[in-house]
Amino acid sequence: DTGVSQDPRHKITKRGQNVTFRCDPISEHNRLYWYRQTLGQGPEFLTYFQNEAQLEKSRLLSDRFSAERPKGSFSTLEIQRTEQGDSAMYLCASSFTMNTEAFFGQGTRLTVV
Amino acid sequence: GQQLNQSPQSMFIQEGEDVSMNCTSSSIFNTWLWYKQDPGEGPVLLIALYKAGELTSNGRLTAQFGITRKDSFLNISASIPSDVGIYFCAGVYYGGSQGNLIFGKGTKLSVKP
Repeated sequence: DTGVSQDPRHKITKRGQNVTFRCDPISEHNRLYWYRQTLGQGPEFLTYFQNEAQLEKSRLLSDRFSAERPKGSFSTLEIQRTEQGDSAMYLCASSFTMNTEAFFGQGTRLTVV
Repeated sequence: GQQLNQSPQSMFIQEGEDVSMNCTSSSIFNTWLWYKQDPGEGPVLLIALYKAGELTSNGRLTAQFGITRKDSFLNISASIPSDVGIYFCAGVYYGGSQGNLIFGKGTKLSVKP
């Protein structure tokens, strides 16, 4: 297993465009988390999935943010009508169960110009 | 929601010195995780702690799960230049939102050769 994989690593987009990020978790990991991280801060929780069920999404930053995990494997995070304030590192993590280690991908660095 | 208070925010130390950082909360956690993050990369898991009072080592790193389950510390012995980075604590708890895995704001470690 190659660990958690995120794609793309970097994304530059114009304000107002939609962007979609992909996360492939460690195989057989049931839990998948999305975080946002801005400079100098710790990862800020956005949402998480248990298999294909999205169990918490109230922390998504606005209704422009949405996430899916259609078959309980990979997940996508979409940001619609991007704003400059959306510029950040978006991190994905996965774990086998609720109470086991969570492993992170390398992140997607989003820059909105 | 639950919050983790991580201290110190930053440390400047001489190579060879020992380092200690900690994480506290007013809430009880079931698991404590410690991560290290290099610039532009995702956090890398260093140590996981599962039981109150547990003391776990990983090379020069030692971490403990506090008896009250509300705190944890990480020690690095005989620091070397490659220890430079940001160290995050993360706590897993049952119930509530935030997907059960929340992060402190990090301790930035700088090592002078």
